[in-house]
Amino acid sequence: NAGVTQTPKFRILKIGQSMTLQCAQDMNHNYMYWYRQDPGMGLKLIYYSVGAGITDKGEVPNGYNVSRSTTEDFPLRLELAAPSQTSVYFCASSSRGGRLDEQFFGPGTRLTVL
Amino acid sequence: AQSVTQLDSHVSVSEGTPVLLRCNYSSSYSPSLFWYVQHPNKGLQLLLKYTSAATLVKGINGFEAEFKKSETSFHLTKPSAHMSDAAEYFCVVSEGNYGQNFVFGPGTRLSVLP
Repeated sequence: NAGVTQTPKFRILKIGQSMTLQCAQDMNHNYMYWYRQDPGMGLKLIYYSVGAGITDKGEVPNGYNVSRSTTEDFPLRLELAAPSQTSVYFCASSSRGGRLDEQFFGPGTRLTVL
Repeated sequence: AQSVTQLDSHVSVSEGTPVLLRCNYSSSYSPSLFWYVQHPNKGLQLLLKYTSAATLVKGINGFEAEFKKSETSFHLTKPSAHMSDAAEYFCVVSEGNYGQNFVFGPGTRLSVLP
């Protein structure tokens, strides 16, 4: 049981490039989330999904897109990368998504945009 | 709206001495509260959670936290710090039906001195 996995671990992009951050979970969780972590700021929610085919915006969605074609996978797409998107990105999942449920986190992707 | 304040951005203790990491929250409803730990360059791991059962919650690695509604606090303690406790700690409040209402505090970095 690998839990939540993310690839790549590190990436450097040039301004204007695009990329997809991959996230997968093998716990059969319905709910999945993408966060970004900036220094001293805690984690901010980018997008979330309550099941395959259903996604919605979080607090900071601008510049990102997501899709959820399967229960296991929840990729995050960056279009036209900007320096403001330099951050550490975490994917997470939870079973039922309610306030009683903990979220399980992946190891993160460190992205630098130059 | 819910929010979390972690009163100290950095706490430094000596090995073998007690640890106190402070967290205050704001919530309109009966929240759930979580503490997560993040070791350097790692993902977040759940330490413990409060979900309206016992107000004193015991977690992993000897940590515990007490929910005090009158003080809107959920401070994290450990009787004796170990070098391996050096990490970033996040307090999280959740009051919604879905995980998109996970709100993170800014984090407290714990240093443990030999």
